Amino acid sequence: DIVMTQTPPSLSVTPGQPASISCKSSQSLLHSDGKTYFYWFLQKPGQPPQLLIYEVSNRFSGVPDRFSGSGSGTDFTLKISRVEAEDVGVYYCLQSTQFPRTFGQGTRVAIK
Amino acid sequence: EAHLLESGGGLVQPGGSLRLSCAASGFIFSDYAMTWVRQAPGKGLEWVSTISGSGTNYADSVKGRFSISRDNSRDTVDLQMNSLRAEDTGIYYCVKGLYRLDYWGPGALVTVSS
Repeated sequence: DIVMTQTPPSLSVTPGQPASISCKSSQSLLHSDGKTYFYWFLQKPGQPPQLLIYEVSNRFSGVPDRFSGSGSGTDFTLKISRVEAEDVGVYYCLQSTQFPRTFGQGTRVAIK
Repeated sequence: EAHLLESGGGLVQPGGSLRLSCAASGFIFSDYAMTWVRQAPGKGLEWVSTISGSGTNYADSVKGRFSISRDNSRDTVDLQMNSLRAEDTGIYYCVKGLYRLDYWGPGALVTVSS
């Protein structure tokens, strides 16, 4: 199974400041079809997860442009250019390159 | 926009069975794979099962006990859960997609306890 390791486990950010979350996979997420099936989700308190970024760097419909994703192979990063109060929650990474699908353990983001 | 709604959650004794159902709308259901993801209380996300045109896949933790199925005429996907254990307790989310899990239902709570 592919192990997804997120860092840091938690983050406290001043509104308007940037934030960055890292996710590393135990093996390359480059699929034989040439795509990298790597995703970022945000789970706000009391809600189901919502898709933020798909295939490494593509923002999902309605996601603000302050969110950006980058990376390749085994190393991936989610950046929030200017954190807002509504960005609080737990961020998860996911690999769908192979079964079983595996999630990172989550990064809790709070506002200072 | 896709909408998903789970039903069938509840309290069940260890060793018992429960069947979750998910009603889908807002997209051509038969064109998409469907996935179940669960979340134990206060814990992270765990992929459970996916059904697609290529077949079905299961997490090792549920293989042989859970069964996923779909009815394209009713736009529903079910998760039959047998031989339930305390560690199966959690919220079960119905999710659209095979690779990109783009729309999630609000979840159904399953509690396995005596």
